[in-house]
Amino acid sequence: DTGVSQDPRHKITKRGQNVTFRCDPISEHNRLYWYRQTLGQGPEFLTYFQNEAQLEKSRLLSDRFSAERPKGSFSTLEIQRTEQGDSAMYLCASSPFSGTSGTDTQYFGPGTRLTVL
Amino acid sequence: QKEVEQNSGPLSVPEGAIASLNCTYSDRGSQSFFWYRQYSGKSPELIMSIYSNGDKEDGRFTAQLNKASQYVSLLIRDSQPSDSATYLCAVRRNYGGATNKLIFGTGTLLAVQP
Repeated sequence: DTGVSQDPRHKITKRGQNVTFRCDPISEHNRLYWYRQTLGQGPEFLTYFQNEAQLEKSRLLSDRFSAERPKGSFSTLEIQRTEQGDSAMYLCASSPFSGTSGTDTQYFGPGTRLTVL
Repeated sequence: QKEVEQNSGPLSVPEGAIASLNCTYSDRGSQSFFWYRQYSGKSPELIMSIYSNGDKEDGRFTAQLNKASQYVSLLIRDSQPSDSATYLCAVRRNYGGATNKLIFGTGTLLAVQP
């Protein structure tokens, strides 16, 4: 059972460019999450999918950000017109659905480090 | 008031000692609590989860939860230099389809001195 994978691991871009990140969850995990982490802070929630449905989006997810999970497997996170403030580690996590017990645990991928020049 | 608060540290302990990491949270409706370990430049790695009041032990790690005091802690026994990392406390509110996000503290940096 491989873990969560993310691609690319590092991305350097110029301000104003668009970037897209990919996340492949642990197989059979139907829940997928995106978080963003800046230096000295804990991860901040961006959005969450259950299968292909995007169930929750943070106010942090401005209209420049869009996430998809078209077939309920991998997910992409796109940032349009990047700004220097978008520089951060973008983390993907997945979890299985554990019914109503509330015990599902999120496992994180290695992250994509974005640097906007 | 932050939703999840942790002392940023650094918390310095000698090798072999017990490290005690603390976390408080503001939302009384929180139901699930997690400790993640994060090495510099790496992603968070799950250490422990706890859902009920009391203690939960796993090897050298013990998580303690007190919902009345809105307090969760992590004890690391026989601390090793390899335990040196940032420890993130995460809290999940009401379980269910409406929200499943984790709310993280800023983390406590632990330094275990050889």
